Amino acid sequence: QKEVEQDPGPLSVPEGAIVSLNCTYSNSAFQYFMWYRQYSRKGPELLMYTYSSGNKEDGRFTAQVDKSSKYISLFIRDSQPSDSATYLCAMSDPADKLIFGTGTRLQVFP
Amino acid sequence: DGGITQSPKYLFRKEGQNVTLSCEQNLNHDAMYWYRQDPGQGLRLIYYSQIVNDFQKGDIAEGYSVSREKKESFPLTVTSAQKNPTAFYLCASSPRTSGTTQYFGPGTRLLVL
Repeated sequence: QKEVEQDPGPLSVPEGAIVSLNCTYSNSAFQYFMWYRQYSRKGPELLMYTYSSGNKEDGRFTAQVDKSSKYISLFIRDSQPSDSATYLCAMSDPADKLIFGTGTRLQVFP
Repeated sequence: DGGITQSPKYLFRKEGQNVTLSCEQNLNHDAMYWYRQDPGQGLRLIYYSQIVNDFQKGDIAEGYSVSREKKESFPLTVTSAQKNPTAFYLCASSPRTSGTTQYFGPGTRLLVL
């Protein structure tokens, strides 16, 4: 079993929809949680960074962490075609090594 | 502009050849990393360096080598011992040795002829 599980998609939604992207993990020692956005043939771009359980909001993006369930989510409100990309979750272990999910491909159609 | 640059964007390797991928950052970050990305497998750590003249192996270091002679530079050599080098290679850097927030370069796609 992988330490971090992420549905590869693709997830296809109409413009304006609310998108929910999720990752589950098995290691309760993971401390920091991140979401990266990666456009095709580009490097990942850091979107959100959280430490504790709860919600963190930044514009149209909300990151949610539930450490008791070992579950993290990224919500995108009012999704746009420009949000079409692969979204990677990542989390750091006690040795500060980042463990990445395999990514979920999102397509937002006009 | 501050950031991480990688070159070349595309690289072709012949059988038995060593090739070197460049990574430069002007963010004054202490830590630098190399990852390999394959379809369906996510990012896998090859090597990382937390300080100049020091580096550690990641999960898939076999067939690769690195150097860290300057804070801003962390080149990766893909040696002939790496039998399956075709992949997208990503360099990242972090402002602290804790490595909690890593920032990525644009990547180099390596193809085997």
